[in-house]
Amino acid sequence: DQQVKQNSPSLSVQEGRISILNCDYTNSMFDYFLWYKKYPAEGPTFLISISSIKDKNEDGRFTVFLNKSAKHLSLHIVPSQPGDSAVYFCAASAVGFGNEKLTFGTGTRLTIIP
Amino acid sequence: IAGITQAPTSQILAAGRRMTLRCTQDMRHNAMYWYRQDLGLGLRLIHYSNTAGTTGKGEVPDGYSVSRANTDDFPLTLASAVPSQTSVYFCASRKGTGLNTEAFFGQGTRLTVV
Repeated sequence: DQQVKQNSPSLSVQEGRISILNCDYTNSMFDYFLWYKKYPAEGPTFLISISSIKDKNEDGRFTVFLNKSAKHLSLHIVPSQPGDSAVYFCAASAVGFGNEKLTFGTGTRLTIIP
Repeated sequence: IAGITQAPTSQILAAGRRMTLRCTQDMRHNAMYWYRQDLGLGLRLIHYSNTAGTTGKGEVPDGYSVSRANTDDFPLTLASAVPSQTSVYFCASRKGTGLNTEAFFGQGTRLTVV
């Protein structure tokens, strides 16, 4: 049972435009959500996170939106840059319920077209 | 530089052999994780540890074992490797103890079982 889903395996966006990556989850116990970026032959690196008590968190060009009723979160990158080309993973955990497990989605490969 | 270190970086292993993937962190994080990354399947949790002395099963634990004798080390052992365990393995750590924080990843171990 895939508790965290990224239904788009890939996405291509023109440089300078907005990239929107989507993630859905099924476990209502999740209370913390994260986005990671991964380049080939490297480990994933943390990008941005959001707690379930918020619906938006912004850090520079990156904004994460959380819709708890829909169990959906999205990552907006604007403006998109060539260096943003990578695989993006969303992840979720239920730390508030005493569970430190971190569950990841299957990833979306983002390609920024110059 | 503080962080999380995995060894070896890559390994070719004969089927049936025993192998231990090493993971060490110097951030005094309580929670540690082992994931495998496979094309189209994202990052799947193998085993995790909320704190030294405790371990738990993730979504794909079969054929793997872990131990957490101390805070810093979290080795992953394949008792008798099979070709389906060919994958890239990532170790991660997180502050844990009920805090919503990001996880830090190692650089990965590419394992090929032949």
